Amino acid sequence: EIVLTQSPVTLSLSPGERATLSCRVSQSVRNDYLAWYQQKPGQAPRLLIYAISSRATGIPDRFSGSGSGTDFTLTISRLEPEDFAVYFCQQYDHSPWTFGQGTTVEIK
Amino acid sequence: EVQLVESGGGLVQPGGSLRLSCAASGFTFSSYWMSWVRQAPGKGLEWVAHINEDGGEKYYVDSVKGRFTISRDNAKNSLYLQMNSLRAEDTAVYYCARDFFPGYSYGPVFDYWGQGILVTVSS
Repeated sequence: EIVLTQSPVTLSLSPGERATLSCRVSQSVRNDYLAWYQQKPGQAPRLLIYAISSRATGIPDRFSGSGSGTDFTLTISRLEPEDFAVYFCQQYDHSPWTFGQGTTVEIK
Repeated sequence: EVQLVESGGGLVQPGGSLRLSCAASGFTFSSYWMSWVRQAPGKGLEWVAHINEDGGEKYYVDSVKGRFTISRDNAKNSLYLQMNSLRAEDTAVYYCARDFFPGYSYGPVFDYWGQGILVTVSS
């Protein structure tokens, strides 16, 4: 099973600041099979990014993804109040499809 | 508008059974793979199982193999998860999710999710 390790566990930032979230995968991901989700308290996850850097429908362009191999990054260029949430990465290269443990972006 | 609505959760004793349902609307249900994903309280996400468009292919995470069965009824636009021999570690919110295979990828991402249903396994 592929393990995804996200860092930091918690990121404390102010609105307007840039957020950089990391996802490290235990073995190389082929063919860009890496996605990111956002989850707010009491809500279901929402797909943000797939194929490392492709934004899902309706996702604003302040969200961007990058990386390759085993190291991936989600960047939020300027945090809006609605962006404070938990973010998960997911690999869909090898079954079982696995998720990272999450990074909480909280208001500083 | 795509909607996925889960039902059937609740409190069950260890060793017991429960059947979850997911009612789908707003898209052609019979054209999509579907998954169950769960989230233990305060924890991360775990993919549990998925099923292909006609129900002929089913895959599970190892921890539920032999205990859980995923199924679907395309005439009723419904997805199901039969959970037997439940354990305390199965306690979680269970989400029904639609599979999306970007660029004909090997595995899925999950582009629409239900609101989730809580399953608690406790004596």
